Amino acid sequence: DVKVTQSSRYLVKRTGEKVFLECVQDMDHENMFWYRQDPGLGLRLIYFSYDVKMKEKGDIPEGYSVSREKKERFSLILESASTNQTSMYLCASNRPRTGYNEQFFGPGTRLTVL
Amino acid sequence: AQTVTQSQPEMSVQEAETVTLSCTYDTSESNYYLFWYKQPPSRQMILVIRQEAYKQQNATENRFSVNFQKAAKSFSLKISDSQLGDTAMYFCASRGGSQGNLIFGKGTKLSVKP
Repeated sequence: DVKVTQSSRYLVKRTGEKVFLECVQDMDHENMFWYRQDPGLGLRLIYFSYDVKMKEKGDIPEGYSVSREKKERFSLILESASTNQTSMYLCASNRPRTGYNEQFFGPGTRLTVL
Repeated sequence: AQTVTQSQPEMSVQEAETVTLSCTYDTSESNYYLFWYKQPPSRQMILVIRQEAYKQQNATENRFSVNFQKAAKSFSLKISDSQLGDTAMYFCASRGGSQGNLIFGKGTKLSVKP
């Protein structure tokens, strides 16, 4: 059974803290993605990675960075958390552009920045 | 830019009845894939159904089916015999970009009432 896991379901941090969100997939997928989900806005792509050490900016990369040192792991980093980064963060993975290219999602991390 | 529009922020349906969720999209790709994802309350996002643009036949998965109107760029989801477990956010998505990242609509919150 395919699996994408995220390090925390709920996280509370203070303004200015450095925050790490971790995502691990066991499907040997090349592509990994970080989305932010907000009510009324749907899912917005923050960053994605199509290979180890490779990354591409999505639609809303400001205030975020990413790291992919191993194929199975993709980290989202908030260098200095702000209250407007309070949100649900979803990780996903898939294979490169072949066939249906379905994305598999993790359970999400609900981050609150106080 | 690719866009996906879901015009119904919220819908409700009685158990055992049929409901249709609307989705329109815009893409410049000659072949593309469309998806409906389901996100139950506090649970993981999962794929409901998918459609390849080249295929004329509408996709069906048990009680879920789509009405794919390519010329109109419409991709609606029909849920027959609605069940309480169908209560969820539903997201329409199209595959866009060179690496297969998805473009999501803003979602439709479906409530199935007993």
